[in-house]
Amino acid sequence: QSALTQPASVSGSPGQSITISCAGTSSDVGGYNFVSWYQQHPGKAPKLIIYDVSNRPSGVSNRFSGSKSGNTASLTISGLQAEDEADYYCSSYTSSNTLDVFGSGTTVTVL
Amino acid sequence: QLQLQESGPGLVKPSETLSLTCSVSGGSISSSIYYWGWIRQPPGKGLEWIGGIYYSGSTYYNPSLKSRLTISVDTSKNQFSLKLSSVTAADTAVYYCARRSYNLGSPYMGPFDYWGQGTLVTVSS
Repeated sequence: QSALTQPASVSGSPGQSITISCAGTSSDVGGYNFVSWYQQHPGKAPKLIIYDVSNRPSGVSNRFSGSKSGNTASLTISGLQAEDEADYYCSSYTSSNTLDVFGSGTTVTVL
Repeated sequence: QLQLQESGPGLVKPSETLSLTCSVSGGSISSSIYYWGWIRQPPGKGLEWIGGIYYSGSTYYNPSLKSRLTISVDTSKNQFSLKLSSVTAADTAVYYCARRSYNLGSPYMGPFDYWGQGTLVTVSS
C-alpha cells in the first residue's frame, strides 16, 4: 500500500491561511470518511488535530479545519501562527489488507 | 489523564528480536471502545503503521511486517507489547505506542488520539 501523497512543504506568513492536500484513491480517502490529521513538532510525538475528515478533538484550535473532495482530503490552517510550524501527516482507513495508511508528510514553515 | 509509556532496549543487534512494551496509566486497556497500536518513524522520515491489538487479543498487522511481528496484550498489567524478529538496519526508528478510539461495528479502528513519547531503537552490531 503506497503512502498517501502530500506536498513536501507548504509555507505562509503569519496571519495567512494555508492548505495541505492529501491525495489517495477510492480505496482509502475517497471511499470512507475516516481521514485523520496529525501535527508533529520536532522531537515530539504526533498529536491528533482532525479526525473523521473534519472533526476536531477537544482542545484543538478552531484555526484547524479539514475537508474532503473526491479522493483528496485537505487540512486548512487559518490565521497562521509561529507555533504552527511543524510536520503534518494525514492518515486514512483503507479497504486494502493494510487497513491503515499514512501520508508522506508536509513540513509547514511560517515565514 | 491517560498516559502511555514505551520501554525496551534502545540497541538491538541485526537478526535479533526487537521487544518493546507500552504501559498504560490513567485508563484501562480492557475497554471495548479502544484499540491499541504501534507506529514507527525512521530518522528523518514519515510515519508507518505497524499493527494493533484489541483487549480481547485480536491483532491486526501491517502485511509488510506480518511475518516478523507479534503484538500481545497483558490486561492484568495494563500493558501491550511488540516483538519484531530478524531485525535489520531498516528497522531503526522511533517506535510509538498509541490508543485508538473505536466505534463499535466500524471497520475502522479509529484515530490515534493518545500517543506515548516514543522510544528510539537502533539496530546495529
